[in-house]
Amino acid sequence: GQNIDQPTEMTATEGAIVQINCTYQTSGFNGLFWYQQHAGEAPTFLSYNVLDGLEEKGRFSSFLSRSKGYSYLLLKELQMKDSASYLCAHSVADYKLSFGAGTTVTVRA
Amino acid sequence: DGGITQSPKYLFRKEGQNVTLSCEQNLNHDAMYWYRQDPGQGLRLIYYSQIVNDFQKGDIAEGYSVSREKKESFPLTVTSAQKNPTAFYLCASTLGDQRRGYTFGSGTRLTVV
Repeated sequence: GQNIDQPTEMTATEGAIVQINCTYQTSGFNGLFWYQQHAGEAPTFLSYNVLDGLEEKGRFSSFLSRSKGYSYLLLKELQMKDSASYLCAHSVADYKLSFGAGTTVTVRA
Repeated sequence: DGGITQSPKYLFRKEGQNVTLSCEQNLNHDAMYWYRQDPGQGLRLIYYSQIVNDFQKGDIAEGYSVSREKKESFPLTVTSAQKNPTAFYLCASTLGDQRRGYTFGSGTRLTVV
């Protein structure tokens, strides 16, 4: 698979902003995804970037730099329900996704 | 509502047994995937199928088998050859439009007893 690196854990306060970084190998790039996964549940789709730049969806934004093999997910106005694991995934051939290990975000009151 | 259903939610297997995990979707998606998730690791691809009656091995196919006889169904069999089967198994499907990503099932947690 493709090497995808993201931090293991992050902690932030309710109402704050957190940025989760993700780096990946650039060969065979077909797109970069972010998923949210609550403990014991299925991942849910958050965002997809295929071109450079920032995509904004409400409180969540995702950024991509293809030349640098770098993406980040920005979570604004954090809420307690945002406590979850956030998975960065790189799309390769045949619509296969290669996933990072995930970043566990803990939101504290 | 359309979706993807995995069953059972929890499954216990004795040493030496084969078990089959069910995955059914009514989204009319062509492609289906099986991933395995272990603590501290990313999802790893076991098998995938892009069309009925065809499937390919993923990164960790050893000890697993699949079939794709119907578009809606993609069952995964964990055989006795899989030495460390305890994990969370996720099935996913996609129409092929990358902008929408995968739709995942709710998962099956398999434990060897």
